[in-house]
Amino acid sequence: AQTVTQSQPEMSVQEAETVTLSCTYDTSESDYYLFWYKQPPSRQMILVIRQEAYKQQNATENRFSVNFQKAAKSFSLKISDSQLGDAAMYFCAYRLTNFGNEKLTFGTGTRLTIIP
Amino acid sequence: EAQVTQNPRYLITVTGKKLTVTCSQNMNHEYMSWYRQDPGLGLRQIYYSMNVEVTDKGDVPEGYKVSRKEKRNFPLILESPSPNQTSLYFCASSRLAGDETQYFGPGTRLLVL
Repeated sequence: AQTVTQSQPEMSVQEAETVTLSCTYDTSESDYYLFWYKQPPSRQMILVIRQEAYKQQNATENRFSVNFQKAAKSFSLKISDSQLGDAAMYFCAYRLTNFGNEKLTFGTGTRLTIIP
Repeated sequence: EAQVTQNPRYLITVTGKKLTVTCSQNMNHEYMSWYRQDPGLGLRQIYYSMNVEVTDKGDVPEGYKVSRKEKRNFPLILESPSPNQTSLYFCASSRLAGDETQYFGPGTRLLVL
């Protein structure tokens, strides 16, 4: 079974600084997707960024980028120029690419605090 | 506006009193799923559906039922709720195309006394 591990329950960063959230996963599959979701105090689940495992290039979305290391099964999220609105719980998630149950397997989350 | 809606958003009930949480999507998605979120455990899949009349268990299906009579709706039924079902519930949907992003509803916070 696939598992996703986020070893940092809480992180904090000074506003305008850069922070990296860690995620590792365990799978025997070669084709899959990885995601980072943001959950602000409103509890809404918001997709931040996604990475296809077959792509070597790391995904980037504005101030958010990932460091995808397939051999190491590592998928970290870097937030540059942190803003107060980035304060949230961040979840790393994994999904197989096969046509079937589109189940997302989530990590336990990292709570990010932005210090003004 | 493309969205997934859930109702109610908040619910307090008592043990054993049947309840239904509705989920509806307006994107013509084939795939729908229910997750529950508990502190320290992340989100875990309860049930999913790949199309009308096609449902299957996820990782934590005990105590829940679902139905998919229409493509847009996927209600979650707790026939005899217990306190261990106190949780935050999310409905999600996507196209069944292998590479689609799942859209999440706003969540339903349930407290079972």
